[in-house]
Amino acid sequence: IQLTQSPSSLSASVGDRVTITCRASQGISSYLAWYQQRPGKAPKLLIYAASTLQSEVPSRFSGSGSGTDFALTISSLQPEDFATYYCQQVNHYPLTFGGGTKVEI
Amino acid sequence: EVQLVESGGGLVQPGGSLRLSCTASGFSFNSYGMSWVRQAPGKGLEWVSTISLSGGNTYYTDSVRGRFTISRDNSKSTMYLQMNSLRGEDTAIYYCAKNIPGPLGLDYWGQGTLVTVSS
Repeated sequence: IQLTQSPSSLSASVGDRVTITCRASQGISSYLAWYQQRPGKAPKLLIYAASTLQSEVPSRFSGSGSGTDFALTISSLQPEDFATYYCQQVNHYPLTFGGGTKVEI
Repeated sequence: EVQLVESGGGLVQPGGSLRLSCTASGFSFNSYGMSWVRQAPGKGLEWVSTISLSGGNTYYTDSVRGRFTISRDNSKSTMYLQMNSLRGEDTAIYYCAKNIPGPLGLDYWGQGTLVTVSS
């Protein structure tokens, strides 16, 4: 299953609302997770089951979608949110990641 | 506190072998599946392999199947990745991660260990 993220990069300002999309090549129900990776750090789980917020993740992050189309939204971008974001499908092996979206200032 | 610590990375020649370890603490290791994910320099994330909580089921990405073997020793709270016939394209940071049952995602990650395949 291929995952296509859009855009591959974006420029935004603190306080902006940002939406990243992830499209699956076939239906995956709600078996999608989102991760944040800051430079030089390990990825961090933000969302699983398409819309369930991981413990201790700020509520400005939200996920939506099912089937083939998904979105990660940051309601008000904070300085610590400048990072690369990845989606991952966990519906079928081999598990796959999207190509990533770099959020820059 | 959940902690995952990888070790065993390093420089190896093409065709060589390496065994990575991931030592876990802070949770009941034998109750969770575990995974390896890698990231080539400057590239995105690539899922490599997953092992079930008992070790009875294993899964691999196509590019490593037949060359890599995932295993675990629940008595030592440790997961392994035996990597044989290494190629230049295996050069990456290798992360171990704990599965949310399902799996529904990877909720804890180690800091990663660098594997460099070069002559």
